[in-house]
Amino acid sequence: GNSVTQMEGPVTLSEEAFLTINCTYTATGYPSLFWYVQYPGEGLQLLLKATKADDKGSNKGFEATYRKETTSFHLEKGSVQVSDSAVYFCALSDRDNQGGKLIFGQGTELSVKP
Amino acid sequence: DAGVIQSPRHEVTEMGQEVTLRCKPISGHNSLFWYRQTMMRGLELLIYFNNNVPIDDSGMPEDRFSAKMPNASFSTLKIQPSEPRDSAVYFCASRASGRTDQETQYFGPGTRLLVL
Repeated sequence: GNSVTQMEGPVTLSEEAFLTINCTYTATGYPSLFWYVQYPGEGLQLLLKATKADDKGSNKGFEATYRKETTSFHLEKGSVQVSDSAVYFCALSDRDNQGGKLIFGQGTELSVKP
Repeated sequence: DAGVIQSPRHEVTEMGQEVTLRCKPISGHNSLFWYRQTMMRGLELLIYFNNNVPIDDSGMPEDRFSAKMPNASFSTLKIQPSEPRDSAVYFCASRASGRTDQETQYFGPGTRLLVL
């Protein structure tokens, strides 16, 4: 079945450091890929998405490229801020199921220190 | 747009009591999802609806849990009787289905449930 695997957290970085959170997936067909972010005490928010191979999603300085050859969708940011501290979820759309539910990874907690 | 609305935001109850969580999806969205989030199990999909019809309830943990969507603008998740292990944050999400460019799910703020 379809699945998403993320690197385990927590990830602790200093402000202005480079961020990479790895995400790989297993899927039949051509799913869309997503990164969601959850700030403390809040629900999940869409951060970025890509709908086909080689697409790059970007938002708020974060980027991720849909790599079909490596089945990956790694999240990157060149210079993190304290306000980026949150839990990040990678997800794919399960188009095999009517309604296209999302399959989420386990989440990666990011902590950015001043 | 008001976004997905959930109520109550916090609920504290005693074991054995009935708990009802409510969700109002974004207007025009026709798919609705209920999730549960805990430290131990992460984010779990409980059930989802398309056009008010339950499509997949395989994530519902047991018969104590039930969900309904009587119309396009309202859904409930009920736990009866509640148990301490049901303590979690419950999220509702909605999306506009039918087109591949409308797969984004929009989440509500969640209901924090504590069963004593």
